[in-house]
Amino acid sequence: EVQLVESGGGLVQPGGSLKLSCAASGFTFSASAMHWVRQASGKGLEWVGRIRTEANGYATVYAASVKGRFTISRDDSKNTAFLQMNSLKTEDTAVYYCTPDGSGWGYWGQGTLVTVSS
Amino acid sequence: DIVMTQSPDSLAVSLGERATINCKSSQNLLYSSNNKNYLAWYQQKPGQPPTLLIYWASTRESGVPDRFSGSGSGTDFTLTISTLQAEDVAVYYCQQYYSTPYTFGQGTKLQIK
Repeated sequence: EVQLVESGGGLVQPGGSLKLSCAASGFTFSASAMHWVRQASGKGLEWVGRIRTEANGYATVYAASVKGRFTISRDDSKNTAFLQMNSLKTEDTAVYYCTPDGSGWGYWGQGTLVTVSS
Repeated sequence: DIVMTQSPDSLAVSLGERATINCKSSQNLLYSSNNKNYLAWYQQKPGQPPTLLIYWASTRESGVPDRFSGSGSGTDFTLTISTLQAEDVAVYYCQQYYSTPYTFGQGTKLQIK
């Protein structure tokens, strides 16, 4: 059974940093690109970025809204993906989900809430 | 960036009736080399993550009831629920995975009339 567990969310002040984790199991993590998607309360889904596999050089790509502030990484030995968030803004407040790449994204965790507020 | 526009924003349908949600992309989502449309549909209920319903515009995800169907090609797509059940109350999103940045429609809220 595929499981994704996001963690690391919390309350942070504007300009602060936070690192989210996504622990995966039940599929071949090292062979899967991983996405991060966020959702502000009462709003729609926003793709944040993706990291590819080692075979694809761990290439990353980001949404314009987070480029230069967020960094996605992964540790295949621990089946975990990360989202390092720096220079956080109030508009980054959202539930953050990780999901493995596919033809349609069929597996999602429950998400972790990030609140950016003073 | 590819803009995904859904219509309507909200929809109220009687139980047992048909519900139709439309999704229009600003660019073609049909990849000519494999003749596939890079379009997915998701259902999201309050407090839950999204659930994949349809991918490749018309392929139903395993376990999804056959009352859900997807159609369309190129830039115009439709999600149809043939006979609405109470458990179908949710927000529905279309998404393109043709090119980055991957983008979602704004969502359609489906309610019971």
